Amino acid sequence: ILNVEQSPQSLHVQEGDSTNFTCSFPSSNFYALHWYRWETAKSPEALFVMTLNGDEKKKGRISATLNTKEGYSYLYIKGSQPEDSATYLCASRISNFGNEKLTFGTGTRLTIIP
Amino acid sequence: EAQVTQNPRYLITVTGKKLTVTCSQNMNHEYMSWYRQDPGLGLRQIYYSMNVEVTDKGDVPEGYKVSRKEKRNFPLILESPSPNQTSLYFCASSTSRIRSHGYTFGSGTRLTVV
Repeated sequence: ILNVEQSPQSLHVQEGDSTNFTCSFPSSNFYALHWYRWETAKSPEALFVMTLNGDEKKKGRISATLNTKEGYSYLYIKGSQPEDSATYLCASRISNFGNEKLTFGTGTRLTIIP
Repeated sequence: EAQVTQNPRYLITVTGKKLTVTCSQNMNHEYMSWYRQDPGLGLRQIYYSMNVEVTDKGDVPEGYKVSRKEKRNFPLILESPSPNQTSLYFCASSTSRIRSHGYTFGSGTRLTVV
């Protein structure tokens, strides 16, 4: 089983502060790295999908970077707002002989303190 | 509206009583997958399907069956549910033709087996 690890497990951040968290993944057969935002009582929603080493993606105050050679990705949130409170999941997608598999980490649970 | 529809949202059943959780997508996606979410564990893949009549086991397939007779539908079948299958289940779909495409998740099914 492919091992995707996220840290920290949970995080409390003051409103207005910036924060970041990490996803590490094995780099063999790498195909894509996904980030999802998962609010309580809802379903995960895709934030970013990155495929190339050095990729950087940005959506408003949230951005992500990818290093496929060393097997890690960072998610950054600038100027945290209460609506950023959610669990952030990363997932590594591998592709091997026509099959593909998306393996999730256990997530980073972010709570923004007003 | 592009979506993945799962039914039911909540289900309480007794050990051994066969049940089916339905999943349907309207985006013409080739790829569909079932995940279960348990406390302290990431989303774990049960089964996936690359296209019609093509299914394969994920990481935790024991006790589950699936079928993919039509592109839009991917039901999850529990022939003889047991209490250790109490969990939150998600169906997801994606196009396998676009590497940078994220997964679209259904709204989840919370299953309790007593």
